[in-house]
Amino acid sequence: NAGVTQTPKFRVLKTGQSMTLLCAQDMNHEYMYWYRQDPGMGLRLIHYSVGEGTTAKGEVPDGYNVSRLKKQNFLLGLESAAPSQTSVYFCASSPTGEIHEQYFGPGTRLTVT
Amino acid sequence: SQQGEEDPQALSIQEGENATMNCSYKTSINNLQWYRQNSGRGLVHLILIRSNEREKHSGRLRVTLDTSKKSSSLLITASRAADTASYFCATGVPDKFYFGSGTKLNVKP
Repeated sequence: NAGVTQTPKFRVLKTGQSMTLLCAQDMNHEYMYWYRQDPGMGLRLIHYSVGEGTTAKGEVPDGYNVSRLKKQNFLLGLESAAPSQTSVYFCASSPTGEIHEQYFGPGTRLTVT
Repeated sequence: SQQGEEDPQALSIQEGENATMNCSYKTSINNLQWYRQNSGRGLVHLILIRSNEREKHSGRLRVTLDTSKKSSSLLITASRAADTASYFCATGVPDKFYFGSGTKLNVKP
């Protein structure tokens, strides 16, 4: 099993550009999450999904949109990138919401200039 | 505000020594988890302790939980250079799932 994969691994955007980050998991997990991690800080939850076709806002959702059209994929979109969105983005999945043991992808390093 | 906060922020020890890091949280929990992050990588789940448990072991890891003090500790015994990483506690429910800012552990060979 590949686990949780993320594409791309690195990306540089100019202010105002848009992009989509793709997360895929092959563990048949119901829950999926997008986090951002800034230097010296823990992870902050952007959006999450409790199943195919559902999404919900986390702690820092502004400036991001998500979609979960297929159970195995969770997309994170930036419609108009801002320098404040420079960060490392992690996707995670978990089999249930109650236990919350999460499996993480390797991360996407995004720089917005 | 963040739910979990680790202490210390950084810890440097010699190989073979024990490493202890602490986590404090603010509200009631169902469980508390510890994760490790190697530099430039994603987080890896280490251990989960439920709110009705006081202590849990996994290999060289020992986790304690004191719900009355809203705190947890992670002990790594006989540390190795490969244990060098950042360690995070995490707790919550999907829309309020918080990771602390982490303890950066450096184990010197």
